[in-house]
This record gives sequence, C-alpha cells and structure tokens, in this order.
Amino acid sequence: GDSVTQTEGQVALSEEDFLTIHCNYSASGYPTLFWYVQYPGEGPQLLFRASRDKEKGSSRGFEATYDKGTTSFHLRKASVQESDSAVYYCALSDGGGSNYKLTFGKGTLLTVTP
Amino acid sequence: NAGVIQTPRHKVTGKGQEATLWCEPISGHSAVFWYRQTIVQGLEFLTYFRNQAPIDDSGMPKERFSAQMPNQSHSTLKIQSTQPQDSAVYLCASSRQGANTGQLYFGEGSKLTVL
Repeated sequence: GDSVTQTEGQVALSEEDFLTIHCNYSASGYPTLFWYVQYPGEGPQLLFRASRDKEKGSSRGFEATYDKGTTSFHLRKASVQESDSAVYYCALSDGGGSNYKLTFGKGTLLTVTP
Repeated sequence: NAGVIQTPRHKVTGKGQEATLWCEPISGHSAVFWYRQTIVQGLEFLTYFRNQAPIDDSGMPKERFSAQMPNQSHSTLKIQSTQPQDSAVYLCASSRQGANTGQLYFGEGSKLTVL
C-alpha cells in the first residue's frame, strides 16, 4: 500500500535557522503530495500541496518541490521563527477511483527557541 | 463558518467499557474521515464516508470499532470493550464533494483515555 516516511521525528532549531524536514513516499499511482501543520490543541491544517512532478508548493515561507524521480517532497524554510513550532505532517493522496483518503507520515515535531 | 465539531473533547473510560465519539462536519461538506492519532504511529486512517455512504474502512480494527453516518450532519465512531491500547486522539475531518484537492478540515479531536 501507499506509505510516507518522514526521517526526522524531532527537530530543534534556533530562530533564523534553516529548516529541512525530509519526506519520501511510496505509491502505486501518481499521487498528490501535501504538507499539513498541527499546532497544540488544534487539528492538522493544510500548509500546501503539489500534484505534478517539479511543481513547487509554498505557504508562509515554507516550500517543497515534488520530485517524482527521487519520490521526495522535502519541506524547507530559510529562516524559522518561534511561532513555527508545531508538528508537521507529510501526506499523499493517490486519488485512485473515488477514494480521496490521505496517508500521513508519522510527523515531525519542530521546536524553535528564541 | 463553524469548523468541524467533535464531542466530547476528553473521555475517560474503564477497560471493557464502550466509548462513542461524535463528529459534526462542516455544512455542505459531503466527505467525512476518521483518523486516530498517537505519538508512536502518528495519524492513522480509520474510515471514510462520502454522501453518508461508507467508502473505505480499511483502517478500522474489525472487531470492536464501528462508524456510522446516519445523516449529513453527523458521524459517530463507537469503540466497544475499550482497551488501554485504544487510548489516542480521534480526529474527524470533512471535505467538499468532488474536491480531490486533499484539503481536509480537521476538528480539534476527541482524546480518549482508557484506564
């Protein structure tokens, strides 16, 4: 079945540091890829998506590029802020037939200290 | 607009008891999803309805878990004979029909603790 692997379980950074969270996927079809963010006490919310090879998704200074060759969708941000502290989930939807469920990675807890 | 509403926010049950969790999707959304969230496993898909019909329940533990969507304004997840390993945050999400955009709108979750 489909799967998403996030390499980092936890990332600790200082403000203005560069962020990379690695995401690799396995899917039988041509999936749409997503990054979701979850703040404490809230449900996950969509950060952005990409549905084609080489497409870049971006929002709030975060970005990721769909790479079908390496089956990756790594999240990056040039300069993190304390308010970016949250759990980040990479996800995919293969959209096969009429099933639009999302398969999520295990999440990466980002902690940013001032 | 109100978001996805989940009740109760917290539930504590004894081992062997039944737990029922409720979800009210966003008005006009016809797809409803249930996920289970734990620190170890992250977000695990449980089941999915579209226009109240079950589409995919491949993530549901077969013996004690059941989900229903009796009308377009609410869905329930029932866990019979709860076990400590059922302790988790159960998240409900909804999305618009035909919108294969992956934008699920999640509720704040129901935290289940089984003693």
